[in-house]
Amino acid sequence: AQTVTQSQPEMSVQEAETVTLSCTYDTSESDYYLFWYKQPPSRQMILVIRQEAYKQQNATENRFSVNFQKAAKSFSLKISDSQLGDAAMYFCAYRSATYSGGGADGLTFGKGTHLIIQP
Amino acid sequence: GAVVSQHPSRVICKSGTSVKIECRSLDFQATTMFWYRQFPKQSLMLMATSNEGSKATYEQGVEKDKFLINHASLTLSTLTVTSAHPEDSSFYICSALTGVSNQPQHFGDGTRLSIL
Repeated sequence: AQTVTQSQPEMSVQEAETVTLSCTYDTSESDYYLFWYKQPPSRQMILVIRQEAYKQQNATENRFSVNFQKAAKSFSLKISDSQLGDAAMYFCAYRSATYSGGGADGLTFGKGTHLIIQP
Repeated sequence: GAVVSQHPSRVICKSGTSVKIECRSLDFQATTMFWYRQFPKQSLMLMATSNEGSKATYEQGVEKDKFLINHASLTLSTLTVTSAHPEDSSFYICSALTGVSNQPQHFGDGTRLSIL
């Protein structure tokens, strides 16, 4: 079974600064997907960024980028120019790319990091 | 595009009641839908996976007779919490996946279930 670990229960950053959220995972698979989701107080799950394991290039979406280290099984999220609207819970998630007998696999989530933005 | 609608958003009911939660993909066909549960200040835990036209696959520790899942069409999956008790109070959230393997899951807005 896969596991996802987020070692930072809470992080705080000044507005306009840069913050990095860490995530490590454990898997024996070679092909998989990794995601970062944002969950504001409304509890909506908002996809921030995703990475396909077979791609060496780190994914980037505007102010959000990842540092994907496949050998180290590390998938950190960097938020540049932090904004007040970035305050939320951030979850790292793993999904196998291999379809099991029952079809696609669900997501395995880390415990989350509560990001606080200081004005 | 890729909108998932979940209904109701909030349910408060008495212990012993059965509650049905619907998850609909509005603008795409969902070959697979997932149901997650999130307790306060915790992460999302996968409960079950449902594929259209077949029986749901439940994660270890999830009672299939307690949490009935039906995926009758490519746009609708339902979760019924049978004879709900206070310990079933939680946030339930569904997600849907198209048949394209590298696409992310699309989440509904969740249902907050409170059993008195």
